[in-house]
Amino acid sequence: DSGVTQTPKHLITATGQRVTLRCSPRSGDLSVYWYQQSLDQGLQFLIQYYNGEERAKGNILERFSAQQFPDLHSELNLSSLELGDSALYFCASSVEGGQGISGNTIYFGEGSWLTVV
Amino acid sequence: GDSVTQMEGPVTLSEEAFLTINCTYTATGYPSLFWYVQYPGEGLQLLLKATKADDKGSNKGFEATYRKETTSFHLEKGSVQVSDSAVYFCALSDPNTGNQFYFGTGTSLTVIP
Repeated sequence: DSGVTQTPKHLITATGQRVTLRCSPRSGDLSVYWYQQSLDQGLQFLIQYYNGEERAKGNILERFSAQQFPDLHSELNLSSLELGDSALYFCASSVEGGQGISGNTIYFGEGSWLTVV
Repeated sequence: GDSVTQMEGPVTLSEEAFLTINCTYTATGYPSLFWYVQYPGEGLQLLLKATKADDKGSNKGFEATYRKETTSFHLEKGSVQVSDSAVYFCALSDPNTGNQFYFGTGTSLTVIP
């Protein structure tokens, strides 16, 4: 158990719908990362937050958005869903997200399986 | 920019065989290097890490040495078991870019009895 909690574990929804995935980081971790894993694209970095602020953005679609709340939990919102959005979405967390700090390790949750039908 | 390149799979080995999964990296600064493992149906777990040149990370019989001169971090295990069947990801974290993580594409390993 990594200490990163994601809900829901499984979700089935129709095209055009909107869903929210939730992540609680490990106690004390300030940084939250979101990744998408699909068979054809592999592990794709979506976005990183550090202490409530966006730190880095990867291959995140405009239909997707995220935020990190004052209690440090994070939500990933996926809207206007398409069949191709079906994937495993991972949240990960780490203590630091700042410059110049080496050895920072990220810990992954077990993921949220999204199936769009 | 920073990137990680790892050996393409899938890899199939017999039990007790020697394993090497190659990983090379490109980074602007002095990154930390990691191997993560993903067992079927689970999230990624940290397997081992090294934070500076010539460091050796080790865990569960796996080893990897941070080689700055060849920008490599190859994963090795002397004798694999069926339970090692998983997908292995090489990754780097660059403190010069706010510790953003860069992952390789993953290498699937299947160990047969």
